[in-house]
Amino acid sequence: DTAVSQTPKYLVTQMGNDKSIKCEQNLGHDTMYWYKQDSKKFLKIMFSYNNKELIINETVPNRFSPKSPDKAHLNLHINSLELGDSAVYFCASSPILAGGSYNEQFFGPGTRLTVL
Amino acid sequence: AQTVTQSQPEMSVQEAETVTLSCTYDTSESNYYLFWYKQPPSRQMILVIRQEAYKQQNATENRFSVNFQKAAKSFSLKISDSQLGDTAMYFCAFRRNYGGSQGNLIFGKGTKLSVKP
Repeated sequence: DTAVSQTPKYLVTQMGNDKSIKCEQNLGHDTMYWYKQDSKKFLKIMFSYNNKELIINETVPNRFSPKSPDKAHLNLHINSLELGDSAVYFCASSPILAGGSYNEQFFGPGTRLTVL
Repeated sequence: AQTVTQSQPEMSVQEAETVTLSCTYDTSESNYYLFWYKQPPSRQMILVIRQEAYKQQNATENRFSVNFQKAAKSFSLKISDSQLGDTAMYFCAFRRNYGGSQGNLIFGKGTKLSVKP
């Protein structure tokens, strides 16, 4: 049983196109995240949602728009793709523990996006 | 702002030997978690070990242990009896621990570990 799944795992597309990456978690977690891993393997937070509400929006071009239709899903839509968007995008989720504290995050398998 | 620094971009170790990966961090928070994640060539992010800042005892998970020095803001990972399957990128990560927003992980740049037969 996959805990955090992402589709597609690989995405190759042309500059200027619009694409979406989907993420689903079956862990019942309240919080979901999108991270970007660049070509040097550096991982950085992009967005975070808590119960469908956006709580983190790092300095990301507004061509990137996250959407959370329900607590189990967090999708990432990217408009007008650019060469620099090529990266691996990870979805993650975590529970909020009693008292409101956070614990570990569970990651999806990643989506390798290649923009040509 | 919190920062995480891994000063060893690459390391190698012979199979069955012990290796230590370094991590330092900077924060003004007193309540936080620290993590080591492993990313093998499959690119899956796998949690290796976690440490809660308020716990003085160093965390251990089988062959993996940490040396957590809170005052020095140091969090190193020791891998004992290294195995070929330990070959991976290792990321040190920091996370605040409080209610409300911003439970995201802040990562170091990673250390690429190669275990040689």
